[in-house]
Amino acid sequence: IAGITQAPTSQILAAGRRMTLRCTQDMRHNAMYWYRQDLGLGLRLIHYSNTAGTTGKGEVPDGYSVSRANTDDFPLTLASAVPSQTSVYFCASSATSGSGETQYFGPGTRLLVL
Amino acid sequence: GQNIDQPTEMTATEGAIVQINCTYQTSGFNGLFWYQQHAGEAPTFLSYNVLDGLEEKGRFSSFLSRSKGYSYLLLKELQMKDSASYLCAVVDSNYQLIWGAGTKLIIKP
Repeated sequence: IAGITQAPTSQILAAGRRMTLRCTQDMRHNAMYWYRQDLGLGLRLIHYSNTAGTTGKGEVPDGYSVSRANTDDFPLTLASAVPSQTSVYFCASSATSGSGETQYFGPGTRLLVL
Repeated sequence: GQNIDQPTEMTATEGAIVQINCTYQTSGFNGLFWYQQHAGEAPTFLSYNVLDGLEEKGRFSSFLSRSKGYSYLLLKELQMKDSASYLCAVVDSNYQLIWGAGTKLIIKP
């Protein structure tokens, strides 16, 4: 692996179902992020993790949860999906959570909730 | 509230120069990023400014004025592959990125 991978690439999900989006990085970055991207809006931060074992809430955390058991993996779980969670989800990582650190993005997961 | 403003769409001609503006009002300022995003793909890093002035990197340059809450991305010698969205993002007082909605740049032959 080189960089960040996400799975699945795309998914159609029935409302009310539980879904976990996977994210793995091999750059040994400390910080990881989950964003959603909707048409006409900027990327919005859902949750973040500054280092393994810690997580924090972003701008739009409701309906989502994360865990950071190790450095490489940062899964995002939708406990009970709703149509408003239809979006493109990007995972990103940076070496640290400092101000000048470049964030590197995975290819994204396109989720449709019906 | 926090706000990042960019034009929604711009059109330019291959070989020309285009300037994409970004104005911001955020709680604190710890730097400004520009990213490029091709349709259906992930954003990729272009530039980072934290001090006032112009940063040049090949065909791309980025300018920052902290007192005016203003930045621009300058693209020279436009190529068809530059057709993409350009995202402006500000690092706020919590060291989180606040993103603009992006500017879709259309390049015509």
